[in-house]
Amino acid sequence: SQTIHQWPATLVQPVGSPLSLECTVEGTSNPNLYWYRQAAGRGLQLLFYSVGIGQISSEVPQNLSASRPQDRQFILSSKKLLLSDSGFYLCAWSLGPGVSTEAFFGQGTRLTVV
Amino acid sequence: GDSVTQMEGPVTLSEEAFLTINCTYTATGYPSLFWYVQYPGEGLQLLLKATKADDKGSNKGFEATYRKETTSFHLEKGSVQVSDSAVYFCALSVNTNAGKSTFGDGTTLTVKP
Repeated sequence: SQTIHQWPATLVQPVGSPLSLECTVEGTSNPNLYWYRQAAGRGLQLLFYSVGIGQISSEVPQNLSASRPQDRQFILSSKKLLLSDSGFYLCAWSLGPGVSTEAFFGQGTRLTVV
Repeated sequence: GDSVTQMEGPVTLSEEAFLTINCTYTATGYPSLFWYVQYPGEGLQLLLKATKADDKGSNKGFEATYRKETTSFHLEKGSVQVSDSAVYFCALSVNTNAGKSTFGDGTTLTVKP
């Protein structure tokens, strides 16, 4: 069966510090991968998605970047965090390509920038 | 572009009450439709789905029917429990769009004993 791991679960970082959140998927090949952010009490905002190794699409301009160094690894990074980067970050995967299936989510990372 | 509009919350019900959360969508292609549930501090979990018109998705007493004519996918449950308290998201996915899902803003449900 497929599983998705996302870490860390919680993170408190000072403004201006770097960020690295990691996500890995097991039990499937060539998944579509996604990073979402959820602000408190609000819906999900798609930040990045990837349909293959090294292929990253950004949905919104921001202070963050993403990379996919391996087929089932997706990393969210920042060189210098801003207060506005605080939120709940969710990694997800879906079957791809060419199918409209459900997304499978990790447990999320609660990021607080102080 | 694609969009999902769902009933604004929060919704507060007594245990054993009937639940309806409305969801309507617009899509450029022929979408699959989903309901996800999120418990506090966790990621989203798929609750149910429907992939074509008139399909009914069901799980754990929840149901939703894919209505193409009204572009709707309303979530219903006949008798809610305290354990159903969570945030519910309606979503769609179109296979021509890199499998990306479009989510509604979520509806917070609180069930009181």
